[in-house]
Amino acid sequence: DGGITQSPKYLFRKEGQNVTLSCEQNLNHDAMYWYRQDPGQGLRLIYYSQIVNDFQKGDIAEGYSVSREKKESFPLTVTSAQKNPTAFYLCASSILAGGYEQYFGPGTRLTVT
Amino acid sequence: GQQLNQSPQSMFIQEGEDVSMNCTSSSIFNTWLWYKQDPGEGPVLLIALYKAGELTSNGRLTAQFGITRKDSFLNISASIPSDVGIYFCAGQPYLNAGGTSYGKLTFGQGTILTVHP
Repeated sequence: DGGITQSPKYLFRKEGQNVTLSCEQNLNHDAMYWYRQDPGQGLRLIYYSQIVNDFQKGDIAEGYSVSREKKESFPLTVTSAQKNPTAFYLCASSILAGGYEQYFGPGTRLTVT
Repeated sequence: GQQLNQSPQSMFIQEGEDVSMNCTSSSIFNTWLWYKQDPGEGPVLLIALYKAGELTSNGRLTAQFGITRKDSFLNISASIPSDVGIYFCAGQPYLNAGGTSYGKLTFGQGTILTVHP
């Protein structure tokens, strides 16, 4: 089955540690995106990538980093510089034509204490 | 940046009732999308709209792309308990010639739907 996988579902870290969230897609989509969702709020774009080895900052990129070494993978690193890292993180992908429908993974809930 | 105003923010209804929610923008959109998010899960695409005036159904869900291209509506008929969740609108903004969005979408803040049995 084609889709987007994110792992792990729940992640716990101590303050000051970097942590990497995984996102893999087998939909052969060109573009991939990372969003952050806080309780009761909408989706805020962190980073996005149109092609391999290229990515752009979204609205809230500070304290985050990404890489796009393979078309199917777009990992997100939450660094110790991110002041409020506890949140629900969503990865999405889309083709870059037509209506640009984005398809989402199941999300990773990160808790930093 | 572009913003979408989604209303209402929350709804509490009885099972069997119909539901309406909408999104509006001050600028033109080329595409309108509606998603549903269950608690602790990723959003799932419900309906995609591509043309002004388009009316599309998916089971008990019906969505419309506004004639002005600045709004969209989602209706749910005969609600059931599993309709509970957060509904998001999203749009692909119209760009002037030569502009590129890299497929970025603008999202509404969501409508939280609660259905009482």
